Amino acid sequence: ETGVTQSPTHLIKTRGQQVTLRCSSQSGHNTVSWYQQALGQGPQFIFQYYREEENGRGNFPPRFSGLQFPNYSSELNVNALELDDSALYLCASSASIGLNYGYTFGSGTRLTVV
Amino acid sequence: DQQVKQNSPSLSVQEGRISILNCDYTNSMFDYFLWYKKYPAEGPTFLISISSIKDKNEDGRFTVFLNKSAKHLSLHIVPSQPGDSAVYFCAASLEGTYKYIFGTGTRLKVLA
Repeated sequence: ETGVTQSPTHLIKTRGQQVTLRCSSQSGHNTVSWYQQALGQGPQFIFQYYREEENGRGNFPPRFSGLQFPNYSSELNVNALELDDSALYLCASSASIGLNYGYTFGSGTRLTVV
Repeated sequence: DQQVKQNSPSLSVQEGRISILNCDYTNSMFDYFLWYKKYPAEGPTFLISISSIKDKNEDGRFTVFLNKSAKHLSLHIVPSQPGDSAVYFCAASLEGTYKYIFGTGTRLKVLA
């Protein structure tokens, strides 16, 4: 059973550029959430996808968008990058939409915006 | 507005002793709480959870205590082992929402 895999592991982008981060969910998981973890902070919820539909969103601007594919893999897209977008981006998958099942996190993509 | 707070950024404990990690929250409507452990260069790993209808949950060396009146939960690790050295996050959720709200983490160092 594979876990959650994220790519790339590290990325450096210039302010104003666009970035796409990718996530492969754990086998059998149909729900994926994305979190942003800034340095010294806990993870902050960005949004969740369930069966290819956005199912909840945190306090992030519209330039943060996502997709979930039929195989339940997912992408996080960020447009017009800002310096404050520099963070670890975590993808987490679950076998169900309910939070009480617990999520499996990937190792994250560390994004640096310069 | 930090709804989940971990006021101790770090904690050092001798191997074999008890580690107690604390977490406070402000929203009395939170109905589920979890602890995650994170090693460097890895994603958070689920450790233990507790529903708001309980006041204690135990799993091996790990016990989580919930005090709803004080809006406080704690994680006890007994006995502590060097492999427990990691950053520990507490998280809370509201029924009907789709997200965890995490604290800022406590870095635990278990000294051999």
